[in-house]
Amino acid sequence: DAGVTQSPTHLIKTRGQQVTLRCSPKSGHDTVSWYQQALGQGPQFIFQYYEEEERQRGNFPDRFSGHQFPNYSSELNVNALLLGDSALYLCASSTGTSGTLTGELFFGEGSRLTVL
Amino acid sequence: GQQLNQSPQSMFIQEGEDVSMNCTSSSIFNTWLWYKQDPGEGPVLLIALYKAGELTSNGRLTAQFGITRKDSFLNISASIPSDVGIYFCAGREYGNKLVFGAGTILRVKS
Repeated sequence: DAGVTQSPTHLIKTRGQQVTLRCSPKSGHDTVSWYQQALGQGPQFIFQYYEEEERQRGNFPDRFSGHQFPNYSSELNVNALLLGDSALYLCASSTGTSGTLTGELFFGEGSRLTVL
Repeated sequence: GQQLNQSPQSMFIQEGEDVSMNCTSSSIFNTWLWYKQDPGEGPVLLIALYKAGELTSNGRLTAQFGITRKDSFLNISASIPSDVGIYFCAGREYGNKLVFGAGTILRVKS
């Protein structure tokens, strides 16, 4: 049973470029959340997708956008990259979006983005 | 963005020692979670706490959900070398959005 898989694992971009990161959720999961983890910090919530719609969004600018596909996989897009966007981008999957949900989030290993 | 206050930032352990770390927040959470992250990997859930005052164990790990719902602690008993890593606390908000602390780095004394 595959866990959460993310690609690519590492990538280097220059300022102003655009990047797309991909995530396949754990089997049986239908909700995907994205987190940004800067060096030495805890993960910060970017947004969450369920039923192919953005359900919640953290305090990130519109340069950060996403998509969820019918097979529940997801993409994170970042436009006009800044040096400060360098971070580990983590995808987490879970089941549903109920406020009383007790199912745990399973995290992938992340995509390490370096912006030069 | 909002983060929880986690302490200590880092600590050194010797094999066999007990370890304690805690997390506080200005906000109330209905669920507290503790994760461990090893280099090059994503966070892995260690313990989940769902009720104020709850004390839960997972092997050598014990965590408690504070009565005020604004704090939690994690204890590791009889530490072993594979306990090294970064430990994060997280509070869960509506819709399964997590707010994380900045982490406690656990290192082995040489």
